Amino acid sequence: EAGVTQFPSHSVIEKGQTVTLRCDPISGHDNLYWYRRVMGKEIKFLLHFVKESKQDESGMPNNRFLAERTGGTYSTLKVQPAELEDSGVYFCASSHGLAGGPKRSDTQYFGPGTRLTVL
Amino acid sequence: AQKITQTQPGMFVQEKEAVTLDCTYDTSDQSYGLFWYKQPSSGEMIFLIYQGSYDEQNATEGRYSLNFQKARKSANLVISASQLGDSAMYFCAMREGLILTGGGNKLTFGTGTQLKVEL
Repeated sequence: EAGVTQFPSHSVIEKGQTVTLRCDPISGHDNLYWYRRVMGKEIKFLLHFVKESKQDESGMPNNRFLAERTGGTYSTLKVQPAELEDSGVYFCASSHGLAGGPKRSDTQYFGPGTRLTVL
Repeated sequence: AQKITQTQPGMFVQEKEAVTLDCTYDTSDQSYGLFWYKQPSSGEMIFLIYQGSYDEQNATEGRYSLNFQKARKSANLVISASQLGDSAMYFCAMREGLILTGGGNKLTFGTGTQLKVEL
């Protein structure tokens, strides 16, 4: 079974440009999450999709960030316009969702991340 | 207040010995889940082990075990018989509350512990 994949693995852009990150979750996983690790800091939650709906977007830093998950499959995270402080590693994760009851682990499986550098 | 605290930024262990990586957490929820992830130098986040707040026994997965002390709010990871391939960053994470009907909850991460296994 294929794991979570992310594209691109690296992206270097200039301040003010636009970048779109893509995440393909594990097949059959309804939940999709975006996280970010800025240099030297802890990994922080950005948002959570259940199928195509945004369940929680409390971690999105500002309106320069736009996430979509059309059709409930892959997701994109667009940063427009990019700023220097957006540099970091963006992780995507997916989990199965409802199966197993409310006390199940619903483990989140992570992709390899996209390293974004804004110059 | 920091919800997940990993007080060891770096640890060294001799090959074949056991090592304990510390994690303390803070939550007012009765239901929560604790996860450990490994991040090797290649960057991907690998799920290691899960402990639910209602689980009475400590979780074990091969050479990994979780020393769960609920009253002390600690969830230390124990790696037995360390191998060179265990050298990596290790993250402790917590999911608070029961799984929502619509899916999982976000993870809160600690700052990580860099483990180096030596010959």
